[in-house]
Amino acid sequence: AQSVTQLGSHVSVSEGALVLLRCNYSSSVPPYLFWYVQYPNQGLQLLLKYTSAATLVKGINGFEAEFKKSETSFHLTKPSAHMSDAAEYFCAVTADTGRRALTFGSGTRLQVQP
Amino acid sequence: DADVTQTPRNRITKTGKRIMLECSQTKGHDRMYWYRQDPGLGLRLIYYSFDVKDINKGEISDGYSVSRQAQAKFSLSLESAIPNQTALYFCATERTGSYNEQFFGPGTRLTVL
Repeated sequence: AQSVTQLGSHVSVSEGALVLLRCNYSSSVPPYLFWYVQYPNQGLQLLLKYTSAATLVKGINGFEAEFKKSETSFHLTKPSAHMSDAAEYFCAVTADTGRRALTFGSGTRLQVQP
Repeated sequence: DADVTQTPRNRITKTGKRIMLECSQTKGHDRMYWYRQDPGLGLRLIYYSFDVKDINKGEISDGYSVSRQAQAKFSLSLESAIPNQTALYFCATERTGSYNEQFFGPGTRLTVL
């Protein structure tokens, strides 16, 4: 079985502040982990993915995430928030890219205050 | 043109009606997915298809059916719509071997009265 938990359905930061969105996973085998972003009135798009190579993964728009096996976490960070980062962010997991589909978390809505 | 298109983009229907949502892709991907999104619940998988002859139920397939008419087309049907099927529906595609990198359509907002 595989699952993800995103702590905090809403996160608000000031422009220029650190962004930290939390994701914890559960998987019976080594996981592959993903962060997707959904801008208003759009579908999801991939931000970054962990596929068992480097534990620190860099994505688009200055985001990065670190895979920590001991903590079963894959938190998303960005050093300095921009107004355009306001969106909903989804963490997702799969334990088998061959035959198993992704399982998504419930999402975190990021608000960026001027 | 968009790589993954969904029609219609918005639909309002009544309880008991049959509804079909369509998804087309020009990415040449073999895998296609249908999800529904509800506030606070994230995306939940309805059905997925790894190729034209390989269709699988997801976690919430009850009340839905699908048809993979061709590699590029994957349709979702609600045989008899009910109000709790009111949601935002997304189609996604994926190339086998791409580590589950999925490409999403713009979504269909369905309201069942």
